Amino acid sequence: EAAVTQSPRNKVTVTGGNVTLSCRQTNSHNYMYWYRQDTGHGLRLIHYSYGAGNLQIGDVPDGYKATRTTQEDFFLLLELASPSQTSLYFCASSDAGTNNYAEQFFGPGTRLTVL
Amino acid sequence: QQNVQQSPESLIVPEGARTSLNCTFSDSASQYFWWYRQHSGKAPKALMSIFSNGEKEEGRFTIHLNKASLHFSLHIRDSQPSDSALYLCAVQWGGRALIFGTGTTVSVSP
Repeated sequence: EAAVTQSPRNKVTVTGGNVTLSCRQTNSHNYMYWYRQDTGHGLRLIHYSYGAGNLQIGDVPDGYKATRTTQEDFFLLLELASPSQTSLYFCASSDAGTNNYAEQFFGPGTRLTVL
Repeated sequence: QQNVQQSPESLIVPEGARTSLNCTFSDSASQYFWWYRQHSGKAPKALMSIFSNGEKEEGRFTIHLNKASLHFSLHIRDSQPSDSALYLCAVQWGGRALIFGTGTTVSVSP
């Protein structure tokens, strides 16, 4: 089974602060994703990537940047954090082909609180 | 913009009963349909998927898909306490990433 790890697991920052969330997958999957999960909204896609150096915009990208540095590593950056970004963040990966049909494997999540 | 909605928001079912969860989507070009399950404090994990009209059964779980009605569902028979979780439906199309619904919380009472 795919192994996806996230760090940190918990993070507290202040409004206007800089935050970087890290994700690493060790199964050579080509696609990686960042989601946020909020009560009443399910999982919402922030950004995703199909390889090192690639970035695709998701459905709720405002206030977030992302960078895929290697096949294994995908980072989510909040450069001016706001309280509205308080959420549970999940990273996922999948071995999708051109039709993108493949199971997504999720990391354990990072709980971010912006005061 | 694809709109994926789930109903009900939550339900309580007695152990051993059958339960049904619903998911509607707005884009008729949708191709692949998933159910994910998320236990409390854990990551979501894929439960089942389907990509053609009809029914697919795996153990106690069955998916029904009706693309013309823009609807698919998950049925759980002989519900167990371990089935208590948040159930998320998701839709894929056109090479895009999954779009998830808002979730249904299932509580199975012993």
